[in-house]
Amino acid sequence: GNSVTQMEGPVTLSEEAFLTINCTYTATGYPSLFWYVQYPGEGLQLLLKATKADDKGSNKGFEATYRKETTSFHLEKGSVQVSDSAVYFCALRSGGATNKLIFGTGTLLAVQP
Amino acid sequence: NAGVTQTPKFQVLKTGQSMTLQCAQDMNHEYMSWYRQDPGMGLRLIHYSVGAGITDQGEVPNGYNVSRSTTEDFPLRLLSAAPSQTSVYFCASSTGTDYGYTFGSGTRLTVV
Repeated sequence: GNSVTQMEGPVTLSEEAFLTINCTYTATGYPSLFWYVQYPGEGLQLLLKATKADDKGSNKGFEATYRKETTSFHLEKGSVQVSDSAVYFCALRSGGATNKLIFGTGTLLAVQP
Repeated sequence: NAGVTQTPKFQVLKTGQSMTLQCAQDMNHEYMSWYRQDPGMGLRLIHYSVGAGITDQGEVPNGYNVSRSTTEDFPLRLLSAAPSQTSVYFCASSTGTDYGYTFGSGTRLTVV
């Protein structure tokens, strides 16, 4: 079945460091891919998405490219801020009749000043 | 524009009690889902719906029932609460494959 694998956290970085959070997926067909962010005590917010191979999603300085050849959708940011501290979830949506959204286990990012 | 509204925000139940978590959306979304979030396990799909009158099971459906009589509402029923159902529950809705789901703010449930 469809699944998403994320790098385990926590990831601890200093402010202005470069961020990469790895995400790989297994799916039949051509899923849409998403990154969600969850700030402490809050619900999930859609951060960015990509709906087909080689698409790049971007938002708030974060980017991720849909790589079908490596089944990956790694999240990157050039210079993190303390306010980026949160849990990041990679997810895929398989389309078809069910259109279910399947999540990875999440990666906690802690940015220190 | 309210988005996805979940009630209650917090609930404490005794083992064996039943209750319904409410979820309503005002965006005319056809797809709705319930997830539970537990530490270290991400979000796991409990039940989902692709439209009014159509529901199906997700990864962890045991102990939960759903119905979808209207497009707007998708309540989640706990039949006989167990401590293993202590979790944070999120409802979400969406339209179309290319779109992400919009999440509610969650219900924190504790079963003692």
